[in-house]
Amino acid sequence: DAGVTQSPTHLIKTRGQQVTLRCSPKSGHDTVSWYQQALGQGPQFIFQYYEEEERQRGNFPDRFSGHQFPNYSSELNVNALLLGDSALYLCASSLVVGEQETQYFGPGTRLLVL
Amino acid sequence: ILNVEQSPQSLHVQEGDSTNFTCSFPSSNFYALHWYRWETAKSPEALFVMTLNGDEKKKGRISATLNTKEGYSYLYIKGSQPEDSATYLCALDSNYQLIWGAGTKLIIKP
Repeated sequence: DAGVTQSPTHLIKTRGQQVTLRCSPKSGHDTVSWYQQALGQGPQFIFQYYEEEERQRGNFPDRFSGHQFPNYSSELNVNALLLGDSALYLCASSLVVGEQETQYFGPGTRLLVL
Repeated sequence: ILNVEQSPQSLHVQEGDSTNFTCSFPSSNFYALHWYRWETAKSPEALFVMTLNGDEKKKGRISATLNTKEGYSYLYIKGSQPEDSATYLCALDSNYQLIWGAGTKLIIKP
């Protein structure tokens, strides 16, 4: 059973460009969350997708957008890249079982904006 | 707004020694508290989910407690081994999002 996968693993872009990151959830999971982690900090929540809709959003500008497909995979899009967008982007998938929901994480995509 | 603090920021422990570190939060307005273990170049790995005041969870040499009234959770590692070297993060589950601390980086010295 494959876990959460993300692509690409690394990416270099320049300011002003646009980027798309991809995530395939763990088999059977229907919810995907995206996080940004800057060096030395904990991950920051970007948004969560469930049933192809954005269910919750963190404190990120509209330049950050996403999508969830019918097979539950997801994309994170960032427009008009800024130097400060350089970070590790983590995707997590989950499935509520009973009253507990554990998020399972992919290895991340490291984005460098020059 | 929930704020999660972890201490210490980093910790060097001799192999075989036991250790513990703290996750603190100002409010109990969350659904669950999660502990994750994150090794370099790997994915964060879920260790525990705790929901109730007084919860205690254990997995092998690692255990955790939750005190929502006083606003903290402890993670304990008994008899540290080199493979325990990692960053340990706690996160509060609130309104469909995880709110993370910055983590405690644990280094086990052989």
